[in-house]
Amino acid sequence: EAGVTQSPTHLIKTRGQQATLRCSPISGHTSVYWYQQALGLGLQFLLWYDEGEERNRGNFPPRFSGRQFPNYSSELNVNALELEDSALYLCASSLMFRPQHFGDGTRLSIL
Amino acid sequence: TQLLEQSPQFLSIQEGENLTVYCNSSSVFSSLQWYRQEPGEGPVLLVTVVTGGEVKKLKRLTFQFGDARKDSSLHITAAQPGDTGLYLCAGETTGNQFYFGTGTSLTVIP
Repeated sequence: EAGVTQSPTHLIKTRGQQATLRCSPISGHTSVYWYQQALGLGLQFLLWYDEGEERNRGNFPPRFSGRQFPNYSSELNVNALELEDSALYLCASSLMFRPQHFGDGTRLSIL
Repeated sequence: TQLLEQSPQFLSIQEGENLTVYCNSSSVFSSLQWYRQEPGEGPVLLVTVVTGGEVKKLKRLTFQFGDARKDSSLHITAAQPGDTGLYLCAGETTGNQFYFGTGTSLTVIP
């Protein structure tokens, strides 16, 4: 069974640009979660999608947004990039009320 | 404000020693997960505990969920270099939301 896949592995942007990160969940999983893991800050919850709808979002500004497609894959969009957005962005998938399984993340670097 | 606090934040021990990592909260969780994350990779699920007081063993790793379902511990017996990594606990609320702990970075020295 294929795990959660994320692309790209690395992404380098400059301040003010926009970034799009992609996630394909484990087959059959309907929930997708996005987290930001900045150095020394642990995992910070960003967004939760289930069955194509946004179920909850963490304490992040509106320039962090996303969507979930009918095939349950998901995109995370970050607009007007700032230096402090540099982090590892992790996607996880699960069935409802089941533990999450993580991808290996996208390393976003802002120059 | 972190909903789940882990301690210690950093731990460096010799191969063969025992250690315990703690995950504490003032909130009640419907379940709690432990993950291990290695550099450059995503967290990998180790265990899920659901019942207050539950104890689960995974080879040399013992996980315990507190009676009140607010805290958990991870005990490693005879640590090996392969145990090195970042250990994360995550609590699930009744609303199917997950909150991650601050993490414990473990280094086992050969």
